[in-house]
Amino acid sequence: AQSVTQLGSHVSVSEGALVLLRCNYSSSVPPYLFWYVQYPNQGLQLLLKYTTGATLVKGINGFEAEFKKSETSFHLTKPSAHMSDAAEYFCAVSSSGGSYIPTFGRGTSLIVHP
Amino acid sequence: DTGVSQDPRHKITKRGQNVTFRCDPISEHNRLYWYRQTLGQGPEFLTYFQNEAQLEKSRLLSDRFSAERPKGSFSTLEIQRTEQGDSAMYLCASSRDRATEAFFGQGTRLTVV
Repeated sequence: AQSVTQLGSHVSVSEGALVLLRCNYSSSVPPYLFWYVQYPNQGLQLLLKYTTGATLVKGINGFEAEFKKSETSFHLTKPSAHMSDAAEYFCAVSSSGGSYIPTFGRGTSLIVHP
Repeated sequence: DTGVSQDPRHKITKRGQNVTFRCDPISEHNRLYWYRQTLGQGPEFLTYFQNEAQLEKSRLLSDRFSAERPKGSFSTLEIQRTEQGDSAMYLCASSRDRATEAFFGQGTRLTVV
């Protein structure tokens, strides 16, 4: 079985501040991990992914995430928030334990203040 | 590569009516997924296809729901005798194989009145 927990349904930051969105996963086998972003009334767009290899992965729009097996975490960060980053962010996990079907967290809404 | 396409984008229907949604995946993507998303929630898995074979269905997928993917190309999701609780965004996604990321369509927003 696999699951994802996203801590904090809402995160509020000032423009230019650090963004940190938390994701913890549960998987009995090595996981693939993903972060997606969703704008209102749109589908999901991939920000970045971890499959194997380097544990620090870089994605689009200046985002990055680090896979920490010991902490079962895959937190998303961005050094400096921009107004255009305001959106809903979803963490997802897939693994052989779940037939490689992506399982999503409940999402974190990022609010960016001017 | 034109991305995943879903049709229609919006659908308003009366309770008890049947509706059908279409998804055109990225060409040569073997896996196709259907998800449902309600306000303030993440996408919830409904079913997936490997080529034309429907390999897994969620317990969320009641008997009123049926999905097909003839010839492993486009897919349709039909909901019979719609209920107000079916109101949601229905998302389709495809991936080349199990080890690659899923690409999502824009979704079909269903409103049952």
